[in-house]
Amino acid sequence: QVQLVESGGGVVQPGRSLRLSCVASGFTFTNYGMHWVRQAPGKGLEWVAVMWSDGTNKYYAGSVKDRFTISRDNSKNTLYLQMNSLRAEDTALYYCARGQGGYYNWFESWGQGTQVTVSS
Amino acid sequence: QSALTQPASVSGSPGQSITISCTGTSSDVGGYNFVSWYQQHPGKAPKLMIYDVSNRPSGVSNRFSGSKSGNTASLTISGLQAEDEADYFCSSYTSSNTLVFGGGTKMTVL
Repeated sequence: QVQLVESGGGVVQPGRSLRLSCVASGFTFTNYGMHWVRQAPGKGLEWVAVMWSDGTNKYYAGSVKDRFTISRDNSKNTLYLQMNSLRAEDTALYYCARGQGGYYNWFESWGQGTQVTVSS
Repeated sequence: QSALTQPASVSGSPGQSITISCTGTSSDVGGYNFVSWYQQHPGKAPKLMIYDVSNRPSGVSNRFSGSKSGNTASLTISGLQAEDEADYFCSSYTSSNTLVFGGGTKMTVL
């Protein structure tokens, strides 16, 4: 069955960097666009970024553009999120999700998330 | 991209029907039939309930239905049950090739 397992979260100081990973299994990774979605404590869902299956198209939310970079290693079935210049407002549970549909616009499969806390 | 607008809370009694609205703009909800809905119970990952406005994934109860009119999408839950109590989020594809979520609606079964 489809599995998405995130890792790499932790406590980091403002201005520092962190890289999240998401290992996928149970499906052909190269056939799907993959997303990062985050949820601040007690708040709603916020879409962060997507990388299409072909690896050439990447799109970001305005709140993270120019600070975060999404990438994937298809040989390792792994999705990454490089997060630079972290801010307190980036504190959230970060989910990896498999995109489906014409524009990879819906998610039937989600990971359990990895917690990122930005604090001095 | 601003978040889609959802009511903060809705409630209903067991057996009743409720509708949650999700309002956007012509650049997202109104411009594409790519609205999806997610249910989230506390401490759990979101679960897909509706995709592409009105399609139900396999395994989701037919008590859940979706629709859209103009810039507003709606999720209707009929025959409310206690296990439907959860947070619900809408999402839409946008003209910028991004996605945007609604702020979420807390649904309470009285």
